[in-house]
Amino acid sequence: GQQLNQSPQSMFIQEGEDVSMNCTSSSIFNTWLWYKQDPGEGPVLLIALYKAGELTSNGRLTAQFGITRKDSFLNISASIPSDVGIYFCAGRETSGSRLTFGEGTQLTVNP
Amino acid sequence: DTGVSQDPRHKITKRGQNVTFRCDPISEHNRLYWYRQTLGQGPEFLTYFQNEAQLEKSRLLSDRFSAERPKGSFSTLEIQRTEQGDSAMYLCASSLGLGQGDTQYFGPGTRLTVL
Repeated sequence: GQQLNQSPQSMFIQEGEDVSMNCTSSSIFNTWLWYKQDPGEGPVLLIALYKAGELTSNGRLTAQFGITRKDSFLNISASIPSDVGIYFCAGRETSGSRLTFGEGTQLTVNP
Repeated sequence: DTGVSQDPRHKITKRGQNVTFRCDPISEHNRLYWYRQTLGQGPEFLTYFQNEAQLEKSRLLSDRFSAERPKGSFSTLEIQRTEQGDSAMYLCASSLGLGQGDTQYFGPGTRLTVL
């Protein structure tokens, strides 16, 4: 099925470092969502973005909806060990309700 | 707990058997979605309901798959004559279905292993 291009695929960082990941699509989306998934669990919503150019924060997390409506990024500041997990971007096209997901970014934080 | 719940969390079955999964959405959420996730991939859309009506089905949803939401509350996903390729995590999500409020919240998933 269709997938978004999410990068990087994996990141290994030291505790306290900042992290940035992004997603790009060939389709225009009217919604971008960022989820975190722990092993054996479902995705947990982190941030939802609804307007082009929107910049939204949730604690140490900040995400932006790209002006072209074809991309989004997620930043995590001052990473901590519990940030470990897989981060997924997801987008929804104007014409539908289904979400299209990226392939995920595996984040490892070394104490 | 008022989140999306799924049952069972794990299911191991033999090839050729039928399996059924249940999803209970967040109360008052009109929309209910099913996704499938294989190892190392993001979730892929299968189908969704607006109340009782099944409004969209992915090409991934073969004839062996059927989903129902008879009373507009919980939903079931049945897989008939399971194949090893059906092994995956099956995720359910729900949303209010109101424009910008159509944010999808996921359940913990059902992990299916077909031997």
